[in-house]
Amino acid sequence: DAGVIQSPRHEVTEMGQEVTLRCKPISGHNSLFWYRQTMMRGLELLIYFNNNVPIDDSGMPEDRFSAKMPNASFSTLKIQPSEPRDSAVYFCASSLPGARGTDTQYFGPGTRLTVL
Amino acid sequence: EDKVVQSPLSLVVHEGDTVTLNCSYEVTNFRSLLWYKQEKKAPTFLFMLTSSGIEKKSGRLSSILDKKELFSILNITATQTGDSAVYLCAVRRQGAQKLVFGQGTRLTINP
Repeated sequence: DAGVIQSPRHEVTEMGQEVTLRCKPISGHNSLFWYRQTMMRGLELLIYFNNNVPIDDSGMPEDRFSAKMPNASFSTLKIQPSEPRDSAVYFCASSLPGARGTDTQYFGPGTRLTVL
Repeated sequence: EDKVVQSPLSLVVHEGDTVTLNCSYEVTNFRSLLWYKQEKKAPTFLFMLTSSGIEKKSGRLSSILDKKELFSILNITATQTGDSAVYLCAVRRQGAQKLVFGQGTRLTINP
C-alpha cells in the first residue's frame, strides 16, 4: 500500500503567485481531508470531502483558498494569490469508510510551502 | 467551539524514564479521542479511544480515557530515543469526521 501521496513535497514561491498542491488518497478510502500546520496554530482542518463531495469547508481561511476533488483518486488545494502568511506544511489525509466518528485518518507526508 | 489542551507542551527526559502526556478536551457530543505521533513528517496513528476506563496498549505505549473528567493520558514506559516526537491528541464529535487537534507535546528523549 503506497499510502497517501502528496506533491510537491516542497514549494517555494513568491507572493502573488498561484500555488497548487496535489493529493492522491489511499485506494478505497472515500474521505479526504486537507490540513494546515503552523507553529502558531498547530494542525487545523481546512476542508474535507466524502465521496468526492465537499462536506465542511469552514476551515478554509478565505476566498484565496479553493479545493477540488474531481474523482476518488485525486484532489487539489489551490491558493491564488499566495501570501507570506500562507507559509505552512499542508497535509492531506484519507480514511476508510465506516461508522462516522470511528474512522482513522491516515496522513500523507505533507507539502512544505514557503511564500516569499 | 471544541477545544483540546495538551500538557506539558514540551518534555525532556532520559532514556529509560517513564512519561505521561496529558490531553484534556471540551467537545459537544463526544465520540472519540485519537493519539498521533509526529516525527519529522506526517502524523502516524497510535490509538483511538471511545470508552472510559479501557486501556489501549501497544508495546511500551498505553492510553486511557476518562469521559467524566474529560481527559486522556498517554503513557510511555522505558523510553527510547526513537520515542522523541511531537504527540498529538485530537477529538471528534458524534456522527462527525472532523478532528480537532491540540497543540501537541514535544517529547525529547536524551540518551
